[in-house]
Amino acid sequence: QVQLQESGPGLVKPSQTLSLTCTVSGGSISIGSYYWTWIRQPAGKGLEWIGHIYTSGSINYNPSLKSRVTISLYTSKEQFSLELSSVTAADTAVYYCARLDWRDSGSFPSYYFDSWGQGTLVTVSS
Amino acid sequence: SSELTQDPAVSVALGQTVRITCQGDSLRRYYATWYQQQPGQAPLLVIYGKNNRPSGIPDRFSGSSSGNTASLTITGAQAEDEADYYCHSRDSSSNHQLFGGGTKLTVL
Repeated sequence: QVQLQESGPGLVKPSQTLSLTCTVSGGSISIGSYYWTWIRQPAGKGLEWIGHIYTSGSINYNPSLKSRVTISLYTSKEQFSLELSSVTAADTAVYYCARLDWRDSGSFPSYYFDSWGQGTLVTVSS
Repeated sequence: SSELTQDPAVSVALGQTVRITCQGDSLRRYYATWYQQQPGQAPLLVIYGKNNRPSGIPDRFSGSSSGNTASLTITGAQAEDEADYYCHSRDSSSNHQLFGGGTKLTVL
């Protein structure tokens, strides 16, 4: 069973760049047809998809964050990363990395996050 | 529109059946996926595809879909099922992913 673990600073100053890394173990990040994903959750609120990078390297971002987000894949290190620039207090949240799998059987395709990191709290404050 | 809508809160008596729903245009093209989130924990996959449960998920959890509405049904709700539940699907017009706003389930 693949495992994911987030790491990075828990405190970031306003206007600076938030940087997180997700380390994947128990499976290769470059094998299979997976989307390596970042998701965040402000305290007391719902889940927000930030973006993902496919095993092949193609990338999609949430349109609301696209101008500030960069997701990268480091296959030799079995890691992928998130950079979010020009942060404000509104970016304070628990950040999760997750693996998105998909299958095309039955009437419709299905996309599902089958593995999650434990989450890491990032606070934006001076 | 690119969104999934869930009722904010639902309650069920212990041992009874409860249905949590999710509505959105994307559900006409993609199956919904359902996650359970306990306080302070990462979400846990409970239902995916037409009606598939990962290993370890009790069979009292089931999923269904009709038109633009997907449902998660818990048959014989237990105290440990009290949690937040989120639906998720791919956006119908892009490769973006969508989450519902979440439903807080209270087991009375």
